[in-house]
Amino acid sequence: NAGVTQTPKFRVLKTGQSMTLLCAQDMNHEYMYWYRQDPGMGLRLIHYSVGEGTTAKGEVPDGYNVSRLKKQNFLLGLESAAPSQTSVYFCASSYFSSTTPGQATYNEQFFGPGTRLTVL
Amino acid sequence: AQKVTQAQTEISVVEKEDVTLDCVYETRDTTYYLFWYKQPPSGELVFLIRRNSFDEQNEISGRYSWNFQKSTSSFNFTITASQVVDSAVYFCALSEYRSSNTGKLIFGQGTTLQVKP
Repeated sequence: NAGVTQTPKFRVLKTGQSMTLLCAQDMNHEYMYWYRQDPGMGLRLIHYSVGEGTTAKGEVPDGYNVSRLKKQNFLLGLESAAPSQTSVYFCASSYFSSTTPGQATYNEQFFGPGTRLTVL
Repeated sequence: AQKVTQAQTEISVVEKEDVTLDCVYETRDTTYYLFWYKQPPSGELVFLIRRNSFDEQNEISGRYSWNFQKSTSSFNFTITASQVVDSAVYFCALSEYRSSNTGKLIFGQGTTLQVKP
């Protein structure tokens, strides 16, 4: 199992350029997430998906779009990159389990290795 | 509003010292989950522990231990006899159940631990 993989690992963009970050997981997880990590701010949720074909906004969605056409893939797009989007981007996946009837358990999120993006 | 606070930005200790990393959270949910992750210098995020709000038992795993206290909304992490390999950024995170129902994590700012030989 590869777990969660991210492509590319590094990227440098010029202001105004566009790009797509790809996240893939082979664990058949329903839930997938995109976070960004900036110094002193921990990780902040950009967008997430609770299943194939569904996406929702997180804490810092502006300037990003996402798509989840296949269960195993979650794409993050930057339509017009800005220097403020310089960051490390992490993708994660997780699953829902139920050991007690009527009560679900959120399990840990499995993270990809990250993509370091610089926007000049 | 949900929030996770890790007031210690950086901690520096000498090897073999014990160190405690503090985590305080805010939530209106009665059902929630707390997590600790480690981010070593290589950059990946490594899951350490998950605790749900119904389970206030402390947990020990080798040199690691966690103290969950609902009365003070804290979930502190102690490393006993620290080692250089423990040097990393440690994140505490919260996942709310009822209000969120998505498993998304709210992270603290992280604590950078440096263990010197």
